[in-house]
Amino acid sequence: KAGVTQTPRYLIKTRGQQVTLSCSPISGHRSVSWYQQTPGQGLQFLFEYFSETQRNKGNFPGRFSGRQFSNSRSEMNVSTLELGDSALYLCASSFSYAGGGKNIQYFGAGTRLSVL
Amino acid sequence: AQRVTQPEKLLSVFKGAPVELKCNYSYSGSPELFWYVQYSRQRLQLLLRHISRESIKGFTADLNKGETSFHLKKPFAQEEDSAMYYCALRGGGSQGNLIFGKGTKLSVKP
Repeated sequence: KAGVTQTPRYLIKTRGQQVTLSCSPISGHRSVSWYQQTPGQGLQFLFEYFSETQRNKGNFPGRFSGRQFSNSRSEMNVSTLELGDSALYLCASSFSYAGGGKNIQYFGAGTRLSVL
Repeated sequence: AQRVTQPEKLLSVFKGAPVELKCNYSYSGSPELFWYVQYSRQRLQLLLRHISRESIKGFTADLNKGETSFHLKKPFAQEEDSAMYYCALRGGGSQGNLIFGKGTKLSVKP
């Protein structure tokens, strides 16, 4: 079974631009969560999607948005990039959004975004 | 507030020595606790979770609700255990997101 796939692996953008990151979950998984990882703040939750609906959102500005498609693939978008948005963005997929035995989150390798 | 604290940024031990990576949490209900590990150049992966009460790669972790702790232990460290270890919490109900600690880098010296 293929793991969580994130594309692209690396991105370089300049301030003010926007960026779209993509995540393909494990086959059969319907929940996708996004996390931002930085040296200072560690891993922080961005948002979670299940069946094309945003179920939960972390404490990030509105410049960060996402969506999920009918095939469970997800994209996240960051508009008006700032230097502080430079980070590793991780996507995780799970069978469902609820707690319980099946809901283990499996992580992708991440997209490293550098904002210059 | 929901919070996970890993007090040690770096833990260095010699091969064969016991290891304990500390994790304390703050949560008002009954959370699920996890340990994730990230080996060099690899993705974050689940090591173990408290509900399964299993031992993975010789590691165990017991949830202590009284002390709100979920420390990770291994009696004899191996060099291949060197990695970043993250403790994570998931609250109950419909929220599936994980709240991570800042991580502890374990270095096992030969």
